[in-house]
Amino acid sequence: EAGVTQFPSHSVIEKGQTVTLRCDPISGHDNLYWYRRVMGKEIKFLLHFVKESKQDESGMPNNRFLAERTGGTYSTLKVQPAELEDSGVYFCASSQETGRGYTFGSGTRLTVV
Amino acid sequence: KQEVTQIPAALSVPEGENLVLNCSFTDSAIYNLQWFRQDPGKGLTSLLLIQSSQREQTSGRLNASLDKSSGRSTLYIAASQPGDSATYLCAPFGQGGKLIFGQGTELSVKP
Repeated sequence: EAGVTQFPSHSVIEKGQTVTLRCDPISGHDNLYWYRRVMGKEIKFLLHFVKESKQDESGMPNNRFLAERTGGTYSTLKVQPAELEDSGVYFCASSQETGRGYTFGSGTRLTVV
Repeated sequence: KQEVTQIPAALSVPEGENLVLNCSFTDSAIYNLQWFRQDPGKGLTSLLLIQSSQREQTSGRLNASLDKSSGRSTLYIAASQPGDSATYLCAPFGQGGKLIFGQGTELSVKP
């Protein structure tokens, strides 16, 4: 079975630009999560989709971040406009059932300069 | 608010040693807990999932225990190998199934 796929693997953008990260979960996994790790900090939850619906977006830092999940399949996370503090690694994970084991993607390393 | 602490922050051992990584969490009202490893520049690889009704799980040389009442989990690695070098992350499941991570333990196993 294919794992969770994220792209791009790396992105370097200038402050003020827009970046879109994409996550393809494991086929059939209704639950999709976004997390991120900024330098020196622990990995933190951003939001949770169940199919195409946002179940919990309490971890989204501010309204510069917009997540979507089209048709309950892949998800995108857009940062607009990007700020320096947005730099970090953004992880996506999926699971078949809420609260069951997660499978993580390899992450997207975002650098805002 | 759930807080997760992992001790030690870093550990360096010679190959062959048995070792224990510790994880504590402040809110014992969790239902599952998952241990991961992360290799430099890579994603998270799931090691073990302990459900709330279980006290431990084993996979090969790895054994993880869970004591919800005391807010602790331990990961035991037997006969460590250089390939075990990575950052180990403990993550109890919070409300809605989201994971709460600690800072991790960075393990280095020397040949």
